[in-house]
Amino acid sequence: SQQGEEDPQALSIQEGENATMNCSYKTSINNLQWYRQNSGRGLVHLILIRSNEREKHSGRLRVTLDTSKKSSSLLITASRAADTASYFCATDGWGNNRLAFGKGNQVVVIP
Amino acid sequence: EAGVTQFPSHSVIEKGQTVTLRCDPISGHDNLYWYRRVMGKEIKFLLHFVKESKQDESGMPNNRFLAERTGGTYSTLKVQPAELEDSGVYFCASSQVTGDNYGYTFGSGTRLTVV
Repeated sequence: SQQGEEDPQALSIQEGENATMNCSYKTSINNLQWYRQNSGRGLVHLILIRSNEREKHSGRLRVTLDTSKKSSSLLITASRAADTASYFCATDGWGNNRLAFGKGNQVVVIP
Repeated sequence: EAGVTQFPSHSVIEKGQTVTLRCDPISGHDNLYWYRRVMGKEIKFLLHFVKESKQDESGMPNNRFLAERTGGTYSTLKVQPAELEDSGVYFCASSQVTGDNYGYTFGSGTRLTVV
């Protein structure tokens, strides 16, 4: 089964710096998505990248996808204190809508 | 547009008791999903409804878990009897796949604690 797995890390950065986190998965995918979860809140969809795409931007977010390496990265530029959250990648495979999540990256942005 | 609503937000029950979680998806979303995150582990898929039908329930851990979506609107997830290992956060999500709009909307989750 597909499984999105972030490189296990907890990032602590200063406001204004960039934050980068990675995700690897094991099998072929249809899409890869990134989600954010603020403490006590639900999962918020950030960005989706399809398997035939290599890079995508949305505001301060930049996602890359390397299907040959089965990996993705999420870059948050010019971080803000409000970006403090857990970030999850999730993959889905062809023929099913089931998402496979990783364990998440905890990002702390220090004002 | 109202988001996905889950109730209750927190529940603390004793081992052996029954708990029912509720999820109200976004109106018009045919797809409804349940996921859960057990402490320290990744978020795991439980099941997927398309309207009132169970499309995929391969993630349901055992027969103590029963999900329903009568009428294809809101869904309930009942745990009976609850065990300690059922503690975690239960997320519901809904989606309406149309063209490039392939995003799930998740609720805030129900934090279940079994003591």
